This record gives sequence, structure tokens and C-alpha cells, in this order.
Amino acid sequence: GESVGLHLPTLSVQEGDNSIINCAYSNSASDYFIWYKQESGKGPQFIIDIRSNMDKRQGQRVTVLLNKTVKHLSLQIAATQPGDSAVYFCAERGGNDYKLSFGAGTTVTVRA
Amino acid sequence: SAVISQKPSRDICQRGTSLTIQCQVDSQVTMMFWYRQQPGQSLTLIATANQGSEATYESGFVIDKFPISRPNLTFSTLTVSNMSPEDSSIYLCSVRWKGEQYFGPGTRLTVT
Repeated sequence: GESVGLHLPTLSVQEGDNSIINCAYSNSASDYFIWYKQESGKGPQFIIDIRSNMDKRQGQRVTVLLNKTVKHLSLQIAATQPGDSAVYFCAERGGNDYKLSFGAGTTVTVRA
Repeated sequence: SAVISQKPSRDICQRGTSLTIQCQVDSQVTMMFWYRQQPGQSLTLIATANQGSEATYESGFVIDKFPISRPNLTFSTLTVSNMSPEDSSIYLCSVRWKGEQYFGPGTRLTVT
């Protein structure tokens, strides 16, 4: 079936540095993408989303980039803080499908 | 945002028994979803529960094992029946509200 995956299962970053988390997707019909953050013991929390008619969207300290040519999605976190330590999932929804498909997740650890 | 609560937050159950998980939302929503997240893994959709209709199950999940109720627009239950250790997971309720998808805190189930 269609899948959404992440390139790296873990990422260690120095506090204050920028983080980049990558995601590859295979469903060319996907038109909506979301990044979620899941802290230990909690449910996934919405961070930012992007539709396929855009290639970049910015939020507070976060930027999502979408490259439809190579089916690649990335999440950039500026000035990473200890509170950013979590598992990050990308998810996609395709066309008329109302269901989200989740990637494997990247665990981000912030070093003090 | 939609605020979701789940009960219980965690439980330890004996194999062969059943557990019913409750999900309450602070807004009226049409679409509710139940996900399973096995330890260290991503989220897998179990079923979609829309008020007024039978739940729709994903491949690999059946109603006899995971019966779902959806009596109104703010509440749903998921029952994990005849449990085995393989059912040990986090079970997450999710809703689609104003175009975005929100998740509850999850129910951490351990089957011994």
C-alpha cells in the first residue's frame, strides 16, 4: 500500500541549533501533509500542515517544505530547545481520502 | 482546537478479558477515529466511527475484536475483546474538527 516514511529514526541536536527532519512519501495523489509532535506519554500534537499547492509554510519557529517532484517533506525547527525533544511524525492524506497515513517517526533529542 | 479526553489513561489486564476505552470530545464532531500505537512504533488506524453509522474497519481489524460505539457527536468507545499480550499498545482516539485532526492522550494497555 501507500506509505509515508522518515529517513532517520533518531536525531540528536545541540540546543540552539536548527533541526531538520525529513520525510518521504510515495502516494503521488497526496494533497495534504501534516507534522505532529508526540511527547512521552502524550498523544500526537499538531505542529504545522501544508497543502500540495504550496512548497513552503512557516509557523512559529517551524517551517515545512514540500518538494512534490521528489515526494519529499521536511520540518525545520529553528533554535531548537529542550522542550522540542519528542518523536516527530509526518502524515499525509490523499485526494478524496479522509484518512491519515503516518510515517515511522523520528526521535529528536536536544543536548544541553 | 478540539480537546479530547480518554478513560482509562492506562490499565493492566489479564489475557482473555475485555477492556472498554472511552473517548470524550469537547466539541461536536462527525468523524472520530481509533488508532493503535505499538511500543516504539507509528500510528495504525483501527477504524473510523461516524455518528449514526457502523464503524468502518481497516484491513487487519475486525468488529468482533474491536467493537466500537458512537452514540452521539461527542463520545465514542472502543472495546478490546478477548485480550492477548499482543494487544499491549497505546490506543488513541482522534477527531477531525474544522479541517484538522486532533488526538487524545491515549490509553496505555498492558496485557499479562
